[in-house]
Amino acid sequence: DIQMTQSPSTLSASVGDRVTITCRASQSISSWLAWYQQKPGKAPNLLIYKASSLESGVPSRFSGSGSGTEFTLTISSLQPDDFATYYCQHYNSYWTFGQGTKVEIK
Amino acid sequence: QVQLVESGGGVVQPGRSLRLSCATSGFTFSSYGMHWVRQAPGKGLEWVAVISYDGSIKYYADSVKGRFTISRDNSKNTLYLQMNSLRAEDTAVYYCAKKREGGVVPAAVDYWGQGTLVTVSS
Repeated sequence: DIQMTQSPSTLSASVGDRVTITCRASQSISSWLAWYQQKPGKAPNLLIYKASSLESGVPSRFSGSGSGTEFTLTISSLQPDDFATYYCQHYNSYWTFGQGTKVEIK
Repeated sequence: QVQLVESGGGVVQPGRSLRLSCATSGFTFSSYGMHWVRQAPGKGLEWVAVISYDGSIKYYADSVKGRFTISRDNSKNTLYLQMNSLRAEDTAVYYCAKKREGGVVPAAVDYWGQGTLVTVSS
């Protein structure tokens, strides 16, 4: 089974900061990777698919990169609405989520 | 607009069964694969199962294989999850989710329901 490992688990940052979250796959997954944002009590929201494609309606401050086994989600300038938990996800026949990264206010 | 509405959650004793439903609208249900994803209280997301657009292909997480069955009724635009032999560790909010792309290509999900809580407890 493919394992997805996110880092860090928690990230403290301020409004305006550039934030980077990393996701590593235990074996190559090509570009079958998505990033989701989840706020407490809400369903996740798709941000990025195919590793680097921005979902419609998602602000351009979010970007994704990587392929193979190493991927990153970058928020270029953190906004108040961005404090949330972020999950990477490998998708193919089976899915695997990373354990999540909580972005907190510093 | 696309809507996914789960129902059927509740409190159930260990070993018993429960069936979840996900009623959909706003898109051509019969063209898209669908997933169930769960989230235990205070924990991360865990994928449960997927079904292809026509119901011919199904995959399950190891943690539910042999106990849960995913199905769909394209005439009713509804997705189901039959959960048997429930365990305490199945306690979670269960979300249904729509694949972003039609057909059988790998795809992320672009719409989620609001979730339904299943509590397995004696």
